[in-house]
Amino acid sequence: KQEVTQIPAALSVPEGENLVLNCSFTDSAIYNLQWFRQDPGKGLTSLLLIQSSQREQTSGRLNASLDKSSGRSTLYIAASQPGDSATYLCAGFWVTGFQKLVFGTGTRLLVSP
Amino acid sequence: DAGVIQSPRHEVTEMGQEVTLRCKPISGHNSLFWYRQTMMRGLELLIYFNNNVPIDDSGMPEDRFSAKMPNASFSTLKIQPSEPRDSAVYFCASSAREYEQYFGPGTRLTVT
Repeated sequence: KQEVTQIPAALSVPEGENLVLNCSFTDSAIYNLQWFRQDPGKGLTSLLLIQSSQREQTSGRLNASLDKSSGRSTLYIAASQPGDSATYLCAGFWVTGFQKLVFGTGTRLLVSP
Repeated sequence: DAGVIQSPRHEVTEMGQEVTLRCKPISGHNSLFWYRQTMMRGLELLIYFNNNVPIDDSGMPEDRFSAKMPNASFSTLKIQPSEPRDSAVYFCASSAREYEQYFGPGTRLTVT
């Protein structure tokens, strides 16, 4: 069974700090992995998608990496801002077994001014 | 495009009542997903439609839950009878590819 885990559940940092969010998954035959952002009372917005053939993806201050052999992905946020405060979820997709996104429970990030 | 549209945004109902949640997917998307999000269990897939046909309903918790997609532009999730443990945020998502999903704003359901 494919499972996705995120630790820590919550993280609080001062503005300007660089930070890393962690995601781990149980099946290395992952097809792709996505990072989503969820603001309070809102739906999920996809931030980055990494295909299994890729090692990382970058968008602005965000960089996501994927290491299939270790079953890990990280989301690096550079020079954090209060507007980055949100819950970040990672989700894996496999083409074997159930072809559906499997979500982690998320990391709630608070960036203080 | 307006994105995925869900209604109502908030629903408060009493135990035993029927609840119907509605979703309009993004035009041109052929897959639609219903999710439930709670603090305890996170985001769970309830059911997945492809070309209006239910493909995977293994996440539907019990017979009290049912979902329909009568056409490509509309889907409903019905709970009858509702129970307090059904309180959650219910999301609808649509996609042209299964892993590239666009989420609606969600319906916050409270069953008292």
